[in-house]
Amino acid sequence: DVKVTQSSRYLVKRTGEKVFLECVQDMDHENMFWYRQDPGLGLRLIYFSYDVKMKEKGDIPEGYSVSREKKERFSLILESASTNQTSMYLCASTLGDTGRAQYFGPGTRLLVL
Amino acid sequence: RKEVEQDPGPFNVPEGATVAFNCTYSNSASQSFFWYRQDCRKEPKLLMSVYSSGNEDGRFTAQLNRASQYISLLIRDSKLSDSATYLCVVTLSAKIIFGSGTRLSIRP
Repeated sequence: DVKVTQSSRYLVKRTGEKVFLECVQDMDHENMFWYRQDPGLGLRLIYFSYDVKMKEKGDIPEGYSVSREKKERFSLILESASTNQTSMYLCASTLGDTGRAQYFGPGTRLLVL
Repeated sequence: RKEVEQDPGPFNVPEGATVAFNCTYSNSASQSFFWYRQDCRKEPKLLMSVYSSGNEDGRFTAQLNRASQYISLLIRDSKLSDSATYLCVVTLSAKIIFGSGTRLSIRP
């Protein structure tokens, strides 16, 4: 079974803080993704990565950066958290080409005060 | 027009009923199709892939209609545990596009 884990289930941060969200997958998947999910807006892609040290912007990259130093780990960084970044953050991974199904981590609910 | 569209629902049906919902996609070059299930406050989980010839997994049947550019999900003999949001997913080249989901509620 594919396992995707995220470092925190719930996180509360203050405006302006730097926030790190970590995602680890144990199935040697090449592709990893970060999404945020908000009511009425569905899943929106922030960043993705097809290989170590490689990153591509998704649909809403503003205010975020990512790091992929190892194949199994993909980090999402909020350089200076803002209240509009309060959301559910979901990490996903997939093997090979994007025609394959994605496997999601349990999500991190981030509240920025 | 959205790339992937779903009726948000909610669909409210009695236990044991058959329910079906569709998902339309705008780009005829779309390549792969999936249905995911998402429970409240949980992550999406793959329910089934959708193949050109249609496919069945127990009470669930998925179909693809390329001519009309939609996929469908049919749930037979619905159970209380089927209550969830169902997301359709379409891939196009390197892009993975999620629908906003259809909420299904099964009542006793």
